[in-house]
Amino acid sequence: EAQVTQNPRYLITVTGKKLTVTCSQNMNHEYMSWYRQDPGLGLRQIYYSMNVEVTDKGDVPEGYKVSRKEKRNFPLILESPSPNQTSLYFCASSPRRLNQPQHFGDGTRLSIL
Amino acid sequence: DAKTTQPPSMDCAEGRAANLPCNHSTISGNEYVYWYRQIHSQGPQYIIHGLKNNETNEMASLIITEDRKSSTLILPHATLRDTAVYYCIVRVDQAGTALIFGKGTTLSVSS
Repeated sequence: EAQVTQNPRYLITVTGKKLTVTCSQNMNHEYMSWYRQDPGLGLRQIYYSMNVEVTDKGDVPEGYKVSRKEKRNFPLILESPSPNQTSLYFCASSPRRLNQPQHFGDGTRLSIL
Repeated sequence: DAKTTQPPSMDCAEGRAANLPCNHSTISGNEYVYWYRQIHSQGPQYIIHGLKNNETNEMASLIITEDRKSSTLILPHATLRDTAVYYCIVRVDQAGTALIFGKGTTLSVSS
């Protein structure tokens, strides 16, 4: 089944403790992206990647890192999480060809205390 | 800034057609109209998209006006599982561009 898989689905942690949210897709998509969703602010793009070893900042990249060493994986790294990064996070992927929709994972709910 | 305007909420009876409007009066010639929906904090789900012709797939139909300034998403036989927030998004079909989600329309389907 074609899917985007995020782990963990839920995480409660404390300020400053490094964490990684993994994202994996099995559709051989070139493009992958991370969004965060906050009440009243909608979904905002954090980082995206057009292909292996190619990443770029989205609208709200501060406090986040990403890497794209393999085509299928696009982990989101919070080196020193802070409470303002408490949010619902989504990973998405799509082919790099034109006219292709993005496929989203089921989300990761992070709570930073 | 959001390029689309949608009503904040709509109701629909189960089994009836749900018609969700979207205004995009400043749409450019190379911008597509995309529809996604989000069911209770799950990941957004792609529904349909189009440029200027009407489109239909197994989920819905998309009707775009001739001047392309507005469109309507039609769910022909709404079910309770169609209760969700529906987002109309206008974007240039350029690989890698972010989706800009506005506030969307909350569709409530009731029996």
